Amino acid sequence: ETGVTQSPTHLIKTRGQQVTLRCSSQSGHNTVSWYQQALGQGPQFIFQYYREEENGRGNFPPRFSGLQFPNYSSELNVNALELDDSALYLCASSRDGTDTQYFGPGTRLTVL
Amino acid sequence: AQSVTQLDSQVPVFEEAPVELRCNYSSSVSVYLFWYVQYPNQGLQLLLKYLSGSTLVKGINGFEAEFNKSQTSFHLRKPSVHISDTAEYFCAATSKAAGNKLTFGGGTRVLVKP
Repeated sequence: ETGVTQSPTHLIKTRGQQVTLRCSSQSGHNTVSWYQQALGQGPQFIFQYYREEENGRGNFPPRFSGLQFPNYSSELNVNALELDDSALYLCASSRDGTDTQYFGPGTRLTVL
Repeated sequence: AQSVTQLDSQVPVFEEAPVELRCNYSSSVSVYLFWYVQYPNQGLQLLLKYLSGSTLVKGINGFEAEFNKSQTSFHLRKPSVHISDTAEYFCAATSKAAGNKLTFGGGTRVLVKP
């Protein structure tokens, strides 16, 4: 069984640029959630996708957007990057949005 | 809205000693509780979860946690730690009402000393 994978591992961008992060869900899972983990803090929920539709959103501005594809993989897009967007971005998948979420290794984004 | 508080930001402990990491949550209505571990430069690994049933939950690597509804707590314990348990530990909560979106505590850094 393949676990959750994310790409790229690390990314360096400059303020104002746009970035796309990718996530492949665990086999059999149709729900993907994205979290932002700033240094020294717990993860914060960004949004969730279930069967290609957004299914809930946390307290993040509209420049954070996402997609889910028919194979249940997902993308997180961030426009107009700000210095505070520097963080570890975690993707988690689950089955039918139920209880247990399994996390990928994360993408470390640095905004200069 | 659900909130999760981890009462200790850092816990130093000697190898083979017991450790307890404290976690309190705000809402008891149909709450689901989790402990995750994060090793340096890695993602989150699920240690254990409470969904319903027995209040004592056993997880991987010898960890266990106890759900206490009256005290709204879900403390994590291990009777004897190893150097390899050095990591950051996160308590998280969710519920069906929250659409199973996880709310995390701030984390507890465990440093196991030889």
